[in-house]
Amino acid sequence: QVEQSGAEVKKPGSTVRIFCKVSGYTFTDYFIHWIQQAPGKAFEWMGFVDPENNKTLYAENWRDRVTMTADMSTDTAFVEVRSLTAADTAIYYCATGTKWVWGQGTQIIVSS
Amino acid sequence: DVVLTQSPLSLPVTLGQPAAISCRSSQSLLYTDGNTYLNWFHQRPGQSPRRLIYKVSTRVSGVPDRFSGSGSGTNFTLKISRVEPDDVGIYFCMQGTHLFTFGPGTVVEVK
Repeated sequence: QVEQSGAEVKKPGSTVRIFCKVSGYTFTDYFIHWIQQAPGKAFEWMGFVDPENNKTLYAENWRDRVTMTADMSTDTAFVEVRSLTAADTAIYYCATGTKWVWGQGTQIIVSS
Repeated sequence: DVVLTQSPLSLPVTLGQPAAISCRSSQSLLYTDGNTYLNWFHQRPGQSPRRLIYKVSTRVSGVPDRFSGSGSGTNFTLKISRVEPDDVGIYFCMQGTHLFTFGPGTVVEVK
C-alpha cells in the first residue's frame, strides 16, 4: 500500500512538501520514485530516494528544485519542490522501486 | 535522453477484438546485464497507473493472460488478445534502462 498526502494549492514562489507512506513491505527494500503528471503531458520521472541511506538520484530537469528524503521510523518518503510556478501544477505520484506500485497521486495547484 | 514514442495515440477498439500498441525508443533498451527494462502500464480514468508487463514480456502477477508484451532493442508491442470493458484507459510504456522515461500514452476507448 502506498498512501500520499492530500491536494494543495500553493502560491508562485512557494515550496510544497508531499509525503508518501508505505505499508505491507519492508520500507528499505525498494527505492521510492517520484513522478510528475502535468496536464496534457507525459509522465516525467523526477528522481528517487533510497530509504535505507537517503541517497538520491534526481533527473536533470529537477535537480535544482527538489529534495527527496525518507524516514525509516515512519516508513514515509517525502519530496519537496521549491520555487513553484504555474508550470508545476500537476499530479505528483510516488511509486515503489522494482515493483512500481504507485500511490494515489497528489494534486498540486500553483496559483496566485 | 531516451525518448519513447507510442502509436497510435488513440485506439478505438471493439469489445472482444484484439488490440496492439507500439512503443519505440530512441536508443536500444538492452542493458549491460542482458535485460531490457521496458514496462507497460495501464491507467484507468481517475486511478493510479498499474504495471502490467515488465522486462518486455513478463506479466505482473494477477494480470490476465490476454495481455502480452513483445519486442527487443528499440521496438516493443503490447497486445490485448480480446478487449474487455475494464481495459479502457491509457496505456503507456516506460523504460528503466537509461534512468527512466515514459511514453506519451495511448488512449484506448470502446468504439
